[in-house]
Amino acid sequence: GAGVSQSPRYKVAKRGQDVALRCDPISGHVSLFWYQQALGQGPEFLTYFQNEAQLDKSGLPSDRFFAERPEGSVSTLKIQRTQQEDSAVYLCASSLALATNEKLFFGSGTQLSVL
Amino acid sequence: KQEVTQIPAALSVPEGENLVLNCSFTDSAIYNLQWFRQDPGKGLTSLLLIQSSQREQTSGRLNASLDKSSGRSTLYIAASQPGDSATYLCAVMDQAGTALIFGKGTTLSVSS
Repeated sequence: GAGVSQSPRYKVAKRGQDVALRCDPISGHVSLFWYQQALGQGPEFLTYFQNEAQLDKSGLPSDRFFAERPEGSVSTLKIQRTQQEDSAVYLCASSLALATNEKLFFGSGTQLSVL
Repeated sequence: KQEVTQIPAALSVPEGENLVLNCSFTDSAIYNLQWFRQDPGKGLTSLLLIQSSQREQTSGRLNASLDKSSGRSTLYIAASQPGDSATYLCAVMDQAGTALIFGKGTTLSVSS
């Protein structure tokens, strides 16, 4: 595809429900990131993949958050037993090579609302 | 812990003005600094990336500078246009080279 694609665009969940957010990075991009953006704030780092390896998950706020990229392309961010404080926009980004040298390309995000 | 601060939080200018957005960071041990643009309801668009060894980068009407020792960066926008209205985010790549640390952004409004 032409850019980073995220689905769904909007997700409404009842508190306690599990959700799965999908990211399709640009084809061939090695690095993939997940960020969480609360209203009026800058994005906050969640986790980083280099191909299928999850090299940094230090930003995941609790063990209810889990991310995977099993074949080194599509990634899924799963949130178990959602809470109201999980409401935010979840952004995915990818870059061609190592993140230190490359611009990041962001998707439009998934807006999660937990009621 | 790295912290990124952007000043001002919001800025309104008439079309045609030159303007400067400011960014400061607390830890000078960075890989790079990036400026992004975010339109309402959209993702981020990368504008400029400055490696830690560089002093500035230019793209069209945009110029970004980096003074790593003082922990500062500025984004200069020349001859502003209504289409420049957006939120501008500054971010630094941490020492591990995996996480971008973002500021809260400056929301710019350019009136015609």
